Amino acid sequence: EAGVAQSPRYKIIEKRQSVAFWCNPISGHATLYWYQQILGQGPKLLIQFQNNGVVDDSQLPKDRFSAERLKGVDSTLKIQPAKLEDSAVYLCASSFPRGVAGAGNEQFFGPGTRLTVL
Amino acid sequence: AQSVAQPEDQVNVAEGNPLTVKCTYSVSGNPYLFWYVQYPNRGLQFLLKYITGDNLVKGSYGFEAEFNKSQTSFHLKKPSALVSDSALYFCAVRDIGAAGNKLTFGGGTRVLVKP
Repeated sequence: EAGVAQSPRYKIIEKRQSVAFWCNPISGHATLYWYQQILGQGPKLLIQFQNNGVVDDSQLPKDRFSAERLKGVDSTLKIQPAKLEDSAVYLCASSFPRGVAGAGNEQFFGPGTRLTVL
Repeated sequence: AQSVAQPEDQVNVAEGNPLTVKCTYSVSGNPYLFWYVQYPNRGLQFLLKYITGDNLVKGSYGFEAEFNKSQTSFHLKKPSALVSDSALYFCAVRDIGAAGNKLTFGGGTRVLVKP
């Protein structure tokens, strides 16, 4: 079974530039998550999609971050303009939605994109 | 609001010795609890979970965890550690009554198993 795919794996940009990350979840997983993991910390949820609708974006800095999942499969996370404190690993994860019998609701993570903002 | 605490930044253990990684949680309702492991330059890998039923949960790679409701803990254990278990371990909690499937992660515990 193919896992969660993310690209690029690494990105270096200067502050005030824009950047976009791409995620392709596991086939059949309706729920998709974007997390930010700052060095030395646990992942923090930025946004959660159920199919192409947003379930939770309460911790997304909406003045500079945006995300979309137009067809309910792939997703893109964008930062514009980037700040130094956005340097982190951006993780995408997917899972079955709540209530799917036997799914257990564990999340499956991609390898992440390491962003460095100079 | 839900939260997770992992009180140890790092745990050092000799190969072959028992390994314990501590986790305590706080939720308003009943918890779903998870352990994930992260190897360098890789995403998180699911180890095990507690949903309901037996308080002792067995997972991948010989790991197990015990749910203790009175102490609000979910410590990860392995009877005999391997050098290859050296990694970063994260405990996570979800409030069963909360909408969505939001996980809250602890800050992580680095495990170093010495030969």
